[in-house]
Amino acid sequence: QVQLVESGGGVVQPGRSLRLSCGASGFSFSNFGMHWVRQAPGKGLEWVAVVWYDGINQDYADSVKGRFTVSRDNSKSTLYLQMNSLRPEDTGVYFCARDRSQSLDFWGQGVVVTVSS
Amino acid sequence: QSVLTQPPSVSGAPGQRVTISCTGSSSNIGAGYDVHWYQHLPGAAPKLLIFGDTNRPSGVPDRFSGSKSGTSASLAISGLQAEDEADYYCQSYDSSLTGFYVFGSGTKVTVL
Repeated sequence: QVQLVESGGGVVQPGRSLRLSCGASGFSFSNFGMHWVRQAPGKGLEWVAVVWYDGINQDYADSVKGRFTVSRDNSKSTLYLQMNSLRPEDTGVYFCARDRSQSLDFWGQGVVVTVSS
Repeated sequence: QSVLTQPPSVSGAPGQRVTISCTGSSSNIGAGYDVHWYQHLPGAAPKLLIFGDTNRPSGVPDRFSGSKSGTSASLAISGLQAEDEADYYCQSYDSSLTGFYVFGSGTKVTVL
């Protein structure tokens, strides 16, 4: 069965960096686009970024453009999110999810990122 | 401020039918992009309920149904059950410059 497991979260000071990982199993990872979605405390879901199956093309939400970079290693079935210049408003739970014709059909359990001094 | 607007909350007694609206604009739902719906329980992974406006993934009960018209979409839950108490989000694609994938503001469904 499809499994997505996020890791790499934690507490980080404003302005610092963090890299999240998402390990995938149970499907042919290299055939699917992959997303990052986040949820700030008490708020709704916010789409963050997508990387397409070959890793060449990505898209980002305006709120993270220029600070976050999404990438993938198809040989390791792993998705990454490099987060630089972190801000307190980046605090939240970060989910990875698989793309299916612009829907997100499988999601991980999420990883917590806290940006605080 | 979400691009797609949902009511903050809806409620119903067990067995009743509730609907959740999702209002967009000409750059997303009105442009013909598909609408998808998710159920999210606290601490859990969001779950895809409806994809492509009206389709249910395997394993989703037929109590859940989706529809779309113009710049809006709706999710209906019939035969409401206690286990349906959760947050629900619509999602679509947006062709404006602010972001490509957009979620609704979310609706909390309470089973009375």
